Amino acid sequence: GEDVEQSLFLSVREGDSSVINCTYTDSSSTYLYWYKQEPGAGLQLLTYIFSNMDMKQDQRLTVLLNKKDKHLSLRIADTQTGDSAIYFCATGAAGNKLTFGGGTRVLVKP
Amino acid sequence: NAGVTQTPKFQVLKTGQSMTLQCAQDMNHNSMYWYRQDPGMGLRLIYYSASEGTTDKGEVPNGYNVSRLNKREFSLRLESAAPSQTSVYFCASSDSTSGGDEQFFGPGTRLTVL
Repeated sequence: GEDVEQSLFLSVREGDSSVINCTYTDSSSTYLYWYKQEPGAGLQLLTYIFSNMDMKQDQRLTVLLNKKDKHLSLRIADTQTGDSAIYFCATGAAGNKLTFGGGTRVLVKP
Repeated sequence: NAGVTQTPKFQVLKTGQSMTLQCAQDMNHNSMYWYRQDPGMGLRLIYYSASEGTTDKGEVPNGYNVSRLNKREFSLRLESAAPSQTSVYFCASSDSTSGGDEQFFGPGTRLTVL
């Protein structure tokens, strides 16, 4: 079945850029998502990218997709303490169920 | 709009007890989902309902049953709880006709089975 892998942990200083990486196996994925989970809360969609795009920028967030290598990344510019959370990569096709990675815990140090 | 609501927020069960987790959404979404979240494993799909009146198994359906009561409500039942079902359960909904097929999540139910 589909597999989505992420590194477990990322530590970054406030004001620096964070880069969270994700690899996936299903080449038929139509959409690729980044979700954020704050402590004790559900998941919140941050951004998504359609599989025929290479890059998407949304304010401090930049998503890069290398479809050949099945690699997705999320860059957060000027990381703030409020960005400390768990970030999940997910893949799916329109109308179909999502497959989530294990999540990357991001810790922002002042 | 309340979005996706779940009850209860917390529950402790003894092995063998049964319970139903409730989920409701007020966004008129067609699709609803139940996930469990375990440390380091991300979210795994238990069951989903693509539309009112239909349900399908996800990745980890064993030990669970679901009911899509109407378009708004999707419940998850544990008939005989086991310690392996200790987890955080999330309900989600989506409108597959919208671009990006965003899933909206509830706040979760933290379940402990002793």
